[in-house]
Amino acid sequence: NAGVTQTPKFQVLKTGQSMTLQCAQDMNHNSMYWYRQDPGMGLRLIYYSASEGTTDKGEVPNGYNVSRLNKREFSLRLESAAPSQTSVYFCASSPPGTGRQETQYFGPGTRLLVL
Amino acid sequence: RKEVEQDPGPFNVPEGATVAFNCTYSNSASQSFFWYRQDCRKEPKLLMSVYSSGNEDGRFTAQLNRASQYISLLIRDSKLSDSATYLCVVNKGTYKYIFGTGTRLKVLA
Repeated sequence: NAGVTQTPKFQVLKTGQSMTLQCAQDMNHNSMYWYRQDPGMGLRLIYYSASEGTTDKGEVPNGYNVSRLNKREFSLRLESAAPSQTSVYFCASSPPGTGRQETQYFGPGTRLLVL
Repeated sequence: RKEVEQDPGPFNVPEGATVAFNCTYSNSASQSFFWYRQDCRKEPKLLMSVYSSGNEDGRFTAQLNRASQYISLLIRDSKLSDSATYLCVVNKGTYKYIFGTGTRLKVLA
C-alpha cells in the first residue's frame, strides 16, 4: 500500500519555466490538498479538492493552478515559476467526512528550487 | 498575531524526562485540534487528535483548554526516537487547517 506518492522528489527550475507536480493516493480518499512549507512558517494551504470534480483556493493560491484528474490524482501546476515559489510542496489526502476533523495523510514532498 | 503559535524550541531534554509543549490559537470557533510529528526532511504524520476531555496514547497526553485557547502535548519517559518537530494543527473551516510552525524536540542520550 503506497499511500500518497509525489513526483518528482526534487526539481530545479529557472525563473519563468513551467512545471507540474504530480500526486496520487491509493487509499480511496475523497479529499486532497496541496501545501507548501517554508522555513519559519507553518504549512500553508495552496489549493484543495473536497471531492472528485471540485477544487478550491486555499490561503496562498496565486501563481498556481490545480487539476483533480480523477479520484486518485491531484496535480499542481506552476505556469511561470518565480524564486518566491522555492519551497517544499506536500500533497495530502483525507478520508470522507465533514472536512473538519479527518486525519490528513501526506506524501513525501517535492523540493523545488527556482533560480 | 499568528492564528496558531508555537514555541519553536529546541527543547533539549535527557532520555527519560517529561516534556510539555503548548500551542495557542486565535480562532475561538475552531473545533478540531491535532498534533502531527515531522521528522527532519520528511512529511508530517498524525501523532494524535486532541479531544475536549483530553486524551492519552501511551506516553503521550494531549489537553485542550478552550477558555484560554491553547492545546498542550505532554511526553513522558522521552525516548531518543521522540526527537522530531511537533506541529500543532487547528481546523479553521471546512477543509481548512492551520499549521503551527512547530516545536523542535531533541532527546539527548
